[in-house]
Amino acid sequence: DIQMTQSPASLSASVGDRVTITCRASQDIRNDLGWFQQKPGKAPKRLIYTASSVQNGVPPRFSGSGAGTEFTLTISSLQPEDFATYYCLQHNTYPFTFGPGTKVDIK
Amino acid sequence: QVQLVQSGAEVKKPGASVKVSCKASGYTFTEYSMQWVRQAPGQGLEWMGWINPKSGDTKYAQKFQGRVTMTRDPSISTAHMELNSLRSDDTAVYYCARSYSETSSGDYWGQGALVTVSS
Repeated sequence: DIQMTQSPASLSASVGDRVTITCRASQDIRNDLGWFQQKPGKAPKRLIYTASSVQNGVPPRFSGSGAGTEFTLTISSLQPEDFATYYCLQHNTYPFTFGPGTKVDIK
Repeated sequence: QVQLVQSGAEVKKPGASVKVSCKASGYTFTEYSMQWVRQAPGQGLEWMGWINPKSGDTKYAQKFQGRVTMTRDPSISTAHMELNSLRSDDTAVYYCARSYSETSSGDYWGQGALVTVSS
C-alpha cells in the first residue's frame, strides 16, 4: 500500500496567518491527490482535487501544488472558519490511502 | 443540489452484520461512482472501496475483502454497504462519497452513519 505522511501533525496559527501543510507519498502518485477539510462531527469536505484544482465553491485562499511524491496545501490568510483537520488522499493506486491528518487550531 | 443522505445510527453485537444505505439526489445516480470511507472514533479516514452504480462493478480494499459487499438500486438512487462478522474495531462512522470515476476522489459526501459494535 502507498503510505501517506503529513507534516506537521498539528499547528497553532492566528487569523490572517499563511499556513502550509505538506503531504508525502511513499511512491509516485502523479497528481492523483485530493485535500479534505473536516470539522468535528462533520463529513469531510473536498477542497482540492488532482493536486492543484480548487473545488467549486471553495474560497481562493486555498491552493494546492505538487506532483509525484510531494504536495502542499496552502491557506493564504487563515480565517476563523478554517480551524479544522486537513487530510490528503491518494487515489492513484488501490487501496486509496489517506494521510493521518493535520489539526489546525487557534494560537 | 447534490445530496447524499445516509441511514441512521446502528448498534450491533459482535459477529452480526450491518447494512448502511446512501440515497442520492440532485444528479444522475448512474453517472458517478460511489466510494465508501470509514472513520473510527478519534481516528483518521480509511477507504473501503467503490461501486459503479451503472454496472454494479465493485472494488474493495484488501482489508475488507470477504466481509464487505457494496450494492446499489438505481431505481431508487441508493447505494448500500454491508459489513459482516462485525468486531469491536469496526465501530466507526461510515461515509458514502460520490466520485466522478473509480479513480477520483469524492466530491460530495453523505453525513455519515455511526455503527457501534458492542456486546
